[in-house]
Amino acid sequence: AQTVTQSQPEMSVQEAETVTLSCTYDTSENNYYLFWYKQPPSRQMILVIRQEAYKQQNATENRFSVNFQKAAKSFSLKISDSQLGDTAMYFCAFASQGGSEKLVFGKGTKLTVNP
Amino acid sequence: NAGVTQTPKFRILKIGQSMTLQCTQDMNHNYMYWYRQDPGMGLKLIYYSVGAGITDKGEVPNGYNVSRSTTEDFPLRLELAAPSQTSVYFCASSHRGQTDTIYFGEGSWLTVV
Repeated sequence: AQTVTQSQPEMSVQEAETVTLSCTYDTSENNYYLFWYKQPPSRQMILVIRQEAYKQQNATENRFSVNFQKAAKSFSLKISDSQLGDTAMYFCAFASQGGSEKLVFGKGTKLTVNP
Repeated sequence: NAGVTQTPKFRILKIGQSMTLQCTQDMNHNYMYWYRQDPGMGLKLIYYSVGAGITDKGEVPNGYNVSRSTTEDFPLRLELAAPSQTSVYFCASSHRGQTDTIYFGEGSWLTVV
């Protein structure tokens, strides 16, 4: 069974600085997808970024980028120029391609951006 | 755009009561899901549907039932509510499955006392 581990329960960063959130996963599959979801205090889950395992190029979305290390099974999220609106829980998630429809979430990292 | 709409947003149930969480999406998505989120945890899949008339169990289905009579609606039924079902429930949908972008509703807070 796939597992997703986020080793940082809480992190904080000053506004305008850069922060990296860690995520590791365990799978025996070769084709899969990885995600970072943001959950602000409103509790709405919002997709931040998506990475397809067969693509070697790291995904980027504006100030958000990932460092995908397939061999190490690592998928970290870098937030550049942090903004107060980035304060949220961030969840790393894994989905296998084909097979059972199951998105596996980590326990989350609570990020606080300080003014 | 409405997206995924869940009702009610808040509900308190007594042990043994039953209720239905409603979910509707207006994006014509084939896939719909119900997740629960317990305090300090990530989301866990309760049930999912790949299309009208088709449903299947996720990771934590016990104590719940679903139906999918239309593409738009995917209600979640709680039978004989228990304190262990106190959680935040999220309905979600996607076009092509869980490797696709998933759109979530705003969540329903359920407390069983």
